[in-house]
Amino acid sequence: GENVEQHPSTLSVQEGDSAVIKCTYSDSASNYFPWYKQELGKRPQLIIDIRSNVGEKKDQRIAVTLNKTAKHFSLHITETQPEDSAVYFCAALMGPGTYKYIFGTGTRLKVLA
Amino acid sequence: NAGVTQTPKFQVLKTGQSMTLQCAQDMNHEYMSWYRQDPGMGLRLIHYSVGAGITDQGEVPNGYNVSRSTTEDFPLRLLSAAPSQTSVYFCASRGRADTQYFGPGTRLTVL
Repeated sequence: GENVEQHPSTLSVQEGDSAVIKCTYSDSASNYFPWYKQELGKRPQLIIDIRSNVGEKKDQRIAVTLNKTAKHFSLHITETQPEDSAVYFCAALMGPGTYKYIFGTGTRLKVLA
Repeated sequence: NAGVTQTPKFQVLKTGQSMTLQCAQDMNHEYMSWYRQDPGMGLRLIHYSVGAGITDQGEVPNGYNVSRSTTEDFPLRLLSAAPSQTSVYFCASRGRADTQYFGPGTRLTVL
Protein backbone atom coordinates (compact mmCIF):
# COMPACT_ATOMS: atom_id res chain seq x y z
CA GLY A 1 0.00 0.00 0.00
CA GLU A 2 0.92 3.65 0.04
CA ASN A 3 3.43 4.53 2.70
CA VAL A 4 6.24 6.89 3.64
CA GLU A 5 9.18 5.61 5.65
CA GLN A 6 11.19 8.08 7.72
CA HIS A 7 14.60 7.64 9.37
CA PRO A 8 15.98 8.02 11.93
CA SER A 9 13.30 8.08 14.59
CA THR A 10 15.58 10.04 16.94
CA LEU A 11 18.60 12.20 16.19
CA SER A 12 20.90 14.04 18.56
CA VAL A 13 23.43 16.55 17.26
CA GLN A 14 25.73 19.12 18.82
CA GLU A 15 24.78 22.73 18.36
CA GLY A 16 26.30 24.03 15.14
CA ASP A 17 26.43 20.62 13.48
CA SER A 18 24.21 19.52 10.59
CA ALA A 19 21.22 17.21 10.77
CA VAL A 20 19.83 15.05 7.97
CA ILE A 21 16.48 13.25 7.98
CA LYS A 22 15.55 10.87 5.18
CA CYS A 23 12.22 9.69 3.77
CA THR A 24 11.24 7.15 1.16
CA TYR A 25 7.85 7.06 -0.53
CA SER A 26 6.07 4.28 -2.36
CA ASP A 27 3.72 6.01 -4.82
CA SER A 28 5.73 6.96 -7.90
CA ALA A 29 2.95 9.37 -8.90
CA SER A 30 3.49 11.51 -5.77
CA ASN A 31 4.35 15.05 -6.79
CA TYR A 32 4.56 17.19 -3.66
CA PHE A 33 6.66 16.64 -0.54
CA PRO A 34 6.28 18.93 2.49
CA TRP A 35 8.24 18.89 5.73
CA TYR A 36 6.63 19.85 9.02
CA LYS A 37 8.10 20.83 12.37
CA GLN A 38 6.11 20.10 15.49
CA GLU A 39 7.07 21.47 18.88
CA LEU A 40 5.77 19.84 22.03
CA GLY A 41 2.03 20.37 22.43
CA LYS A 42 1.76 22.42 19.24
CA ARG A 43 0.40 21.88 15.76
CA PRO A 44 2.60 20.78 12.84
CA GLN A 45 3.98 23.78 10.97
CA LEU A 46 5.20 23.68 7.38
CA ILE A 47 8.90 24.56 7.16
CA ILE A 48 9.76 23.72 3.56
CA ASP A 49 8.34 21.81 0.63
CA ILE A 50 9.43 20.57 -2.78
CA ARG A 51 7.67 19.54 -5.95
CA SER A 52 8.58 16.63 -8.16
CA ASN A 53 9.90 18.82 -10.96
CA VAL A 54 12.62 20.26 -8.69
CA GLY A 55 15.67 18.45 -7.32
CA GLU A 56 16.61 20.77 -4.49
CA LYS A 57 15.20 23.74 -2.59
CA LYS A 58 16.85 25.85 0.07
CA ASP A 59 15.57 28.34 2.62
CA GLN A 60 18.32 29.80 4.81
CA ARG A 61 19.58 26.94 7.02
CA ILE A 62 17.06 24.42 5.73
CA ALA A 63 17.20 22.51 2.46
CA VAL A 64 15.31 19.64 0.92
CA THR A 65 16.55 17.33 -1.81
CA LEU A 66 14.50 14.97 -3.95
CA ASN A 67 15.60 11.91 -5.92
CA LYS A 68 12.58 10.85 -7.97
CA THR A 69 14.26 7.79 -9.42
CA ALA A 70 15.03 6.37 -6.00
CA LYS A 71 11.84 7.84 -4.46
CA HIS A 72 13.87 9.46 -1.70
CA PHE A 73 13.73 12.94 -0.24
CA SER A 74 15.74 14.42 2.59
CA LEU A 75 15.71 17.37 4.97
CA HIS A 76 19.02 19.06 5.73
CA ILE A 77 19.42 21.51 8.60
CA THR A 78 22.76 23.27 8.85
CA GLU A 79 24.26 25.17 11.80
CA THR A 80 21.69 23.67 14.14
CA GLN A 81 20.47 25.69 17.11
CA PRO A 82 18.68 24.60 20.31
CA GLU A 83 15.41 26.01 18.94
CA ASP A 84 15.60 23.47 16.11
CA SER A 85 14.81 20.77 18.69
CA ALA A 86 11.40 19.36 17.76
CA VAL A 87 9.74 16.48 15.93
CA TYR A 88 10.00 16.66 12.15
CA PHE A 89 7.58 14.93 9.80
CA CYS A 90 7.91 14.31 6.10
CA ALA A 91 4.86 13.74 3.93
CA ALA A 92 3.99 12.87 0.35
CA LEU A 93 0.93 13.95 -1.56
CA MET A 94 -0.37 10.96 -3.44
CA GLY A 95 -0.68 11.08 -7.23
CA PRO A 96 -2.43 13.85 -9.15
CA GLY A 97 -6.17 13.97 -8.64
CA THR A 98 -6.01 12.59 -5.11
CA TYR A 99 -6.14 14.62 -1.96
CA LYS A 100 -4.36 12.32 0.43
CA TYR A 101 -1.15 13.08 2.26
CA ILE A 102 0.75 10.17 3.73
CA PHE A 103 3.01 11.11 6.64
CA GLY A 104 6.20 9.59 7.89
CA THR A 105 6.35 8.50 11.53
CA GLY A 106 8.48 11.46 12.60
CA THR A 107 12.04 12.19 13.77
CA ARG A 108 12.72 13.63 17.19
CA LEU A 109 15.67 15.99 16.80
CA LYS A 110 17.60 17.09 19.87
CA VAL A 111 20.18 19.81 19.50
CA LEU A 112 22.60 19.70 22.41
CA ALA A 113 24.03 23.00 23.58
CA ASN B 1 -8.16 35.75 9.68
CA ALA B 2 -8.13 32.98 12.31
CA GLY B 3 -6.96 30.19 9.96
CA VAL B 4 -8.04 26.74 11.16
CA THR B 5 -9.75 26.54 14.53
CA GLN B 6 -10.73 23.49 16.58
CA THR B 7 -12.87 22.97 19.65
CA PRO B 8 -12.60 21.70 22.28
CA LYS B 9 -8.88 21.71 23.15
CA PHE B 10 -9.28 18.85 25.62
CA GLN B 11 -12.00 16.27 26.16
CA VAL B 12 -12.46 13.24 28.40
CA LEU B 13 -15.12 10.69 27.48
CA LYS B 14 -16.32 7.43 28.91
CA THR B 15 -16.43 4.34 26.71
CA GLY B 16 -19.61 4.34 24.65
CA GLN B 17 -20.22 8.07 24.75
CA SER B 18 -20.53 10.05 21.54
CA MET B 19 -19.23 13.50 20.74
CA THR B 20 -18.39 15.87 17.91
CA LEU B 21 -15.05 17.57 17.39
CA GLN B 22 -15.50 20.90 15.67
CA CYS B 23 -13.28 22.32 12.94
CA ALA B 24 -13.66 25.57 11.04
CA GLN B 25 -11.54 27.54 8.58
CA ASP B 26 -11.94 31.05 7.25
CA MET B 27 -9.61 30.80 4.24
CA ASN B 28 -12.28 29.58 1.78
CA HIS B 29 -10.32 26.36 1.32
CA GLU B 30 -11.92 23.53 -0.60
CA TYR B 31 -10.01 20.68 0.99
CA MET B 32 -10.29 19.73 4.64
CA SER B 33 -9.00 16.68 6.49
CA TRP B 34 -9.00 15.03 9.88
CA TYR B 35 -5.93 13.27 11.25
CA ARG B 36 -5.17 11.46 14.45
CA GLN B 37 -1.70 11.52 15.97
CA ASP B 38 -0.48 8.70 18.17
CA PRO B 39 3.02 8.30 19.62
CA GLY B 40 5.42 6.80 17.09
CA MET B 41 2.80 6.64 14.34
CA GLY B 42 2.88 10.07 12.78
CA LEU B 43 -0.33 11.58 11.45
CA ARG B 44 -2.92 9.21 10.04
CA LEU B 45 -5.74 10.39 7.82
CA ILE B 46 -9.24 9.63 9.13
CA HIS B 47 -11.55 11.35 6.63
CA TYR B 48 -11.24 14.16 4.15
CA SER B 49 -13.44 16.41 2.05
CA VAL B 50 -12.85 18.08 -1.30
CA GLY B 51 -15.77 20.47 -1.00
CA ALA B 52 -19.19 20.99 0.53
CA GLY B 53 -21.21 17.79 0.31
CA ILE B 54 -18.24 15.61 -0.67
CA THR B 55 -16.36 13.42 1.81
CA ASP B 56 -14.23 10.30 1.60
CA GLN B 57 -12.41 7.87 3.87
CA GLY B 58 -8.75 7.99 4.74
CA GLU B 59 -6.50 5.35 6.29
CA VAL B 60 -8.32 4.87 9.61
CA PRO B 61 -12.04 5.79 9.19
CA ASN B 62 -13.67 3.16 11.42
CA GLY B 63 -15.58 4.61 14.36
CA TYR B 64 -15.74 8.11 12.91
CA ASN B 65 -18.25 10.00 10.77
CA VAL B 66 -17.94 13.31 8.96
CA SER B 67 -20.13 15.65 6.97
CA ARG B 68 -19.43 18.88 5.09
CA SER B 69 -22.51 21.05 4.78
CA THR B 70 -20.56 24.31 4.35
CA THR B 71 -17.13 25.25 3.01
CA GLU B 72 -16.09 26.53 6.43
CA ASP B 73 -16.99 23.64 8.75
CA PHE B 74 -15.92 20.01 8.90
CA PRO B 75 -17.01 18.28 12.13
CA LEU B 76 -15.78 14.84 13.17
CA ARG B 77 -18.19 12.61 15.06
CA LEU B 78 -17.25 9.77 17.33
CA LEU B 79 -20.23 7.45 17.36
CA SER B 80 -19.39 5.27 20.38
CA ALA B 81 -16.05 6.19 21.92
CA ALA B 82 -13.51 3.45 22.65
CA PRO B 83 -10.20 3.64 24.54
CA SER B 84 -8.41 2.99 21.22
CA GLN B 85 -9.63 6.42 20.10
CA THR B 86 -7.57 8.16 22.75
CA SER B 87 -5.38 10.41 20.64
CA VAL B 88 -4.65 13.94 19.52
CA TYR B 89 -6.88 14.99 16.63
CA PHE B 90 -5.84 17.58 14.08
CA CYS B 91 -7.98 19.20 11.45
CA ALA B 92 -6.28 20.64 8.37
CA SER B 93 -7.29 22.60 5.31
CA ARG B 94 -5.69 23.58 2.02
CA GLY B 95 -6.67 25.65 -0.97
CA ARG B 96 -5.78 25.21 -4.63
CA ALA B 97 -2.08 25.15 -3.77
CA ASP B 98 -0.91 22.03 -1.97
CA THR B 99 0.06 23.59 1.36
CA GLN B 100 -1.86 22.21 4.31
CA TYR B 101 -2.57 24.30 7.41
CA PHE B 102 -3.29 22.55 10.68
CA GLY B 103 -5.57 23.53 13.50
CA PRO B 104 -4.30 23.59 17.12
CA GLY B 105 -5.54 20.07 17.87
CA THR B 106 -7.93 18.37 20.30
CA ARG B 107 -6.53 16.04 22.94
CA LEU B 108 -9.10 13.28 23.55
CA THR B 109 -8.99 10.71 26.33
CA VAL B 110 -11.46 7.83 26.42
CA LEU B 111 -11.71 6.02 29.74
